[in-house]
Amino acid sequence: AQSVTQPDIHITVSEGASLELRCNYSYGATPYLFWYVQSPGQGLQLLLKYFSGDTLVQGIKGFEAEFKRSQSSFNLRKPSVHWSDAAEYFCAVGPPGAGSYQLTFGKGTKLSVIP
Amino acid sequence: NAGVTQTPKFQVLKTGQSMTLQCAQDMNHNSMYWYRQDPGMGLRLIYYSASEGTTDKGEVPNGYNVSRLNKREFSLRLESAAPSQTSVYFCASSVGTEGNTIYFGEGSWLTVV
Repeated sequence: AQSVTQPDIHITVSEGASLELRCNYSYGATPYLFWYVQSPGQGLQLLLKYFSGDTLVQGIKGFEAEFKRSQSSFNLRKPSVHWSDAAEYFCAVGPPGAGSYQLTFGKGTKLSVIP
Repeated sequence: NAGVTQTPKFQVLKTGQSMTLQCAQDMNHNSMYWYRQDPGMGLRLIYYSASEGTTDKGEVPNGYNVSRLNKREFSLRLESAAPSQTSVYFCASSVGTEGNTIYFGEGSWLTVV
């Protein structure tokens, strides 16, 4: 069975600093990988996804993520954080070719941004 | 462009009461989902409907029923609410089920006392 771990429950960064949120997955092959963001009181919004090909994926709002097969990781990065990036971030994993109903979500990392 | 709309946004129920959460999407999506979100637990799938006329259980279906009323609407019913069902509920939809982007509603906060 697939699983996903987000090791950091809460991260605080200063505005303008770089950001890296960690995501590790457990699956026998290369899965489908996703990052979602949830602003307070809102639903989740897709930031980016990886199915295959180039291991560096660009997303919306200036985010990118890198798939590293050897480390079973799909970490999310942003070079310079803005106060509006304060939100909760969820990594999700699903079997290749799988239905969206087969996604497993991580427990989330809450990002706080210091002005 | 409304996307995925859920009602009600907030609800307080007494143990044993029933209620239905309504969801509608205007994106002509085939697949719809109901998730619950609990602190420190991430999102867990309750039920999904891959296409109009079909529904299937997800990870945590006990205590819930669903109805795919038509292509646009997918409702979630709690027949006899329990305090363990206190949660935030999200409806979502996608074009199809294979690796497609899931679009979420804004959530329904349900408290069972």
